[in-house]
Amino acid sequence: DAGVTQSPTHLIKTRGQQVTLRCSPKSGHDTVSWYQQALGQGPQFIFQYYEEEERQRGNFPDRFSGHQFPNYSSELNVNALLLGDSALYLCASSPIDRGSYGYTFGSGTRLTVV
Amino acid sequence: GNSVTQMEGPVTLSEEAFLTINCTYTATGYPSLFWYVQYPGEGLQLLLKATKADDKGSNKGFEATYRKETTSFHLEKGSVQVSDSAVYFCALYSGAGSYQLTFGKGTKLSVIP
Repeated sequence: DAGVTQSPTHLIKTRGQQVTLRCSPKSGHDTVSWYQQALGQGPQFIFQYYEEEERQRGNFPDRFSGHQFPNYSSELNVNALLLGDSALYLCASSPIDRGSYGYTFGSGTRLTVV
Repeated sequence: GNSVTQMEGPVTLSEEAFLTINCTYTATGYPSLFWYVQYPGEGLQLLLKATKADDKGSNKGFEATYRKETTSFHLEKGSVQVSDSAVYFCALYSGAGSYQLTFGKGTKLSVIP
């Protein structure tokens, strides 16, 4: 049973560009959350998607946007990249309303902005 | 708002030593508490969890007890191995309209032979 899969694993972008990261949740999971983990820090919540809608958003600017597809997979888009957006981006999934039992995380996408 | 405070690292131990990583939290209501582990170059793996007060989560020799009176969830292991070297994150999920995990800053553990 495949867990959460993310692509690509690594990415290098230039400041001002746009990037799209992709996530497929674990089988049987219908919520997808995105987190940003800066070097040496704990993950920070960006947003969660359920039924193709943004369910909750963390303290991130509108440059960060997302989408969820009917098959529950999700994309994270970041526009007008800044050097400070360099981080590990983690996707997490769970069945709806089972967050209290923990989320399953992917291995992440390492984004470097130069 | 919710917050998690972990003891700062890095922590360096000899193999077979006893491990404690302290974690305290601030949250409304009755959160679920977690320890996640991150090995070098990888994502997060759920190590153990506790969903209510006095619950003890355990896995792979690690244990943590949900103490509501002290708002703590300290991670312990009786005898660490080199393979336990990783970064450990304490996290909480409060529910009640909040679906996010709130993480501590992480504690890096290095175990030397």
